[in-house]
Amino acid sequence: ETGVTQSPTHLIKTRGQQVTLRCSSQSGHNTVSWYQQALGQGPQFIFQYYREEENGRGNFPPRFSGLQFPNYSSELNVNALELDDSALYLCASSGVINEQFFGPGTRLTVL
Amino acid sequence: GENVEQHPSTLSVQEGDSAVIKCTYSDSASNYFPWYKQELGKRPQLIIDIRSNVGEKKDQRIAVTLNKTAKHFSLHITETQPEDSAVYFCAASKGGSYIPTFGRGTSLIVHP
Repeated sequence: ETGVTQSPTHLIKTRGQQVTLRCSSQSGHNTVSWYQQALGQGPQFIFQYYREEENGRGNFPPRFSGLQFPNYSSELNVNALELDDSALYLCASSGVINEQFFGPGTRLTVL
Repeated sequence: GENVEQHPSTLSVQEGDSAVIKCTYSDSASNYFPWYKQELGKRPQLIIDIRSNVGEKKDQRIAVTLNKTAKHFSLHITETQPEDSAVYFCAASKGGSYIPTFGRGTSLIVHP
């Protein structure tokens, strides 16, 4: 059984640019959720994908988009980056039991 | 939507003492309550969870209690050790699609 992995580990972008973050779910998990964690805060839910369909969305603007692939890996895309988008982006996968397991995160810095 | 309040924001204890972190939730339909531990620079890790059909759950030195009537749940850590130092998050979710709402976190510091 392999755990949740994310890439890249760190990323530096400038305002207005676009970024794509990637997540590979844990073996046997068909649901992937993405979270934004600002410094000193709890994870904030962005959206969830279940079997390649969006299954719920938090209070984030449309410039945050994503998709899930047939192998249940997932991407988070953020367009028109803003300074406030600087955060740790976590993905978490879950299976039938609904327990979530987090990846190590991608630290995004927007300058 | 769901709102989860977590207290205290910081908790400082001596090694060997007990630590208690409390959370309240607003949506009575919430039925799954996990707790995560996040060490500095690392991913949140699930340490214990409880579902609404259970009032208490224990796993070695940690336990979680749930009061559905009052809509609050608590994490109890006994015989704390320095390696317990971390930020702890509670969360609440409902229904079939697991979309948890997290508390703001409690920074636990265990002094040797």
